[in-house]
Amino acid sequence: SAVISQKPSRDICQRGTSLTIQCQVDSQVTMMFWYRQQPGQSLTLIATANQGSEATYESGFVIDKFPISRPNLTFSTLTVSNMSPEDSSIYLCSVVSQGAGQPQHFGDGTRLSIL
Amino acid sequence: GEDVEQSLFLSVREGDSSVINCTYTDSSSTYLYWYKQEPGAGLQLLTYIFSNMDMKQDQRLTVLLNKKDKHLSLRIADTQTGDSAIYFCAESNPDSSYKLIFGSGTRLLVRP
Repeated sequence: SAVISQKPSRDICQRGTSLTIQCQVDSQVTMMFWYRQQPGQSLTLIATANQGSEATYESGFVIDKFPISRPNLTFSTLTVSNMSPEDSSIYLCSVVSQGAGQPQHFGDGTRLSIL
Repeated sequence: GEDVEQSLFLSVREGDSSVINCTYTDSSSTYLYWYKQEPGAGLQLLTYIFSNMDMKQDQRLTVLLNKKDKHLSLRIADTQTGDSAIYFCAESNPDSSYKLIFGSGTRLLVRP
């Protein structure tokens, strides 16, 4: 399966600042997603990162708050903008590799705390 | 909309079998997954099953799918203390661009 590297693995940020999270895959993948896991909760999809075009956001998530880039088939970034304590979560990147019937794999996540 | 439900907690004794259950509502679900999350870690894909299958076995893991009842289960044989974690059931289908819908997660505690 694809090797997924997420950076940073964790960070502590001040409210009002922004942080960009990177997701790098060691092979070309067809689909890349960004999920959020709030403390003690399950995972919720933020958006699908589309290569060369705007991401597709889920209900409740907007581009101004969570801008996403995907310049090629192996790399994506998620920015958490104007952070508040409510943004303290784990943010996870997931990918689906090329080929029929491929499962979805996750990176190790970025643990974000907002003070 | 789609919904996936799991019981929140399961406690078993080391060496016993564990069975974690999941129900889903989307009849067009194509892929059904089991992920494991250990404390402070990301999600590890344990196993997955296509909707045209009834069962999948992989070493100590057995997945059973009852498509009529929309019920998925994960059986862990000879459960070990290292199996203590949160287990998430998830489903996806091509009509929803393969995005995953997760259950709430089942916390498995293995007692020595």
